Amino acid sequence: EVQLVESGGGLVQPGGSLRLSCAASGLTFNKAWMSWVRQAPGKGLEWVGRIRSKIHGGTADYAAPVKGRFTILRDDSRNTLFLHVNSLKIEDTAVYYCATEVETDPAKVKNAFDIWGQGTMVTVSS
Amino acid sequence: DIQMTQSPSSLSASVGDRVTISCRASQSISNFLNWYQQKPGKAPNLLIYAASTLQSGVPSRFSGSGSGTDFTLTISSLQPEDFATYYCHQSYSPILTFGPGTRVDVK
Repeated sequence: EVQLVESGGGLVQPGGSLRLSCAASGLTFNKAWMSWVRQAPGKGLEWVGRIRSKIHGGTADYAAPVKGRFTILRDDSRNTLFLHVNSLKIEDTAVYYCATEVETDPAKVKNAFDIWGQGTMVTVSS
Repeated sequence: DIQMTQSPSSLSASVGDRVTISCRASQSISNFLNWYQQKPGKAPNLLIYAASTLQSGVPSRFSGSGSGTDFTLTISSLQPEDFATYYCHQSYSPILTFGPGTRVDVK
C-alpha cells in the first residue's frame, strides 16, 4: 500500500521554526517529485513547494509567500521528505500535506497528485 | 505565476442534477489541468488529470474537458457522496497553483 505520513506539526510562536516530516512507503521514493500543500482553516488549497528527484537535480521550487523562509529537503535513504519552516507568521497556520504521484515513468506520469498524506497541523500563535 | 480562477465559488444542487464547474488559467497551460475533490477533514482526492483523463477508481459520472486556458468539470448526475469542494490545479509551470475551490452543497 502506498502511504505518506506527515508529522512534526504543533503550536509555535510567531518568528519560530519547525521541521515537518513526511514518511513515504510503497512507492519508488527516490524517483518521486515531492510536494507540500497547505490549507489554512476554512480556506482552499495552497501549493507550498516541490523538490525534484535527485536524478532530476534535486532542486526545489517554492510559492512566493514562503520563498526564503521555507526549505524542502529529502532523504532518499530514509524515504522521508522534510519541510523546514522558519520565521513563521500567523498566516502560516494551516494543515500541511505532502503529496506526490505514484507513477515515476516519464512516459506515464500524470503530473497530478494521486497520493496525499493525512496532514499535520501547524498553528502559529502567541 | 499562473493564476487559477473557478466559477462559481459555490453552488447548491440536488441529487441527480448535472453540475458544471469552470476553471480558467491566466495563461495557456495546454492540458496540464487536474481536478480534486475534498471533503471536510480529509485530504483531497484526484478525480481528473490531464484535463480529461479519469483517475482509476473514480466514477464515470465525473468528466473533464478543455485545453489552453478554459476547463470544465462536469458531474453528470450528482450523488449524495459528491457534496464536497472541488479544486482545479495547474501543473504546467514549475510553480504549481490551485484554484480557489467550488463548494457543492445540498439545495
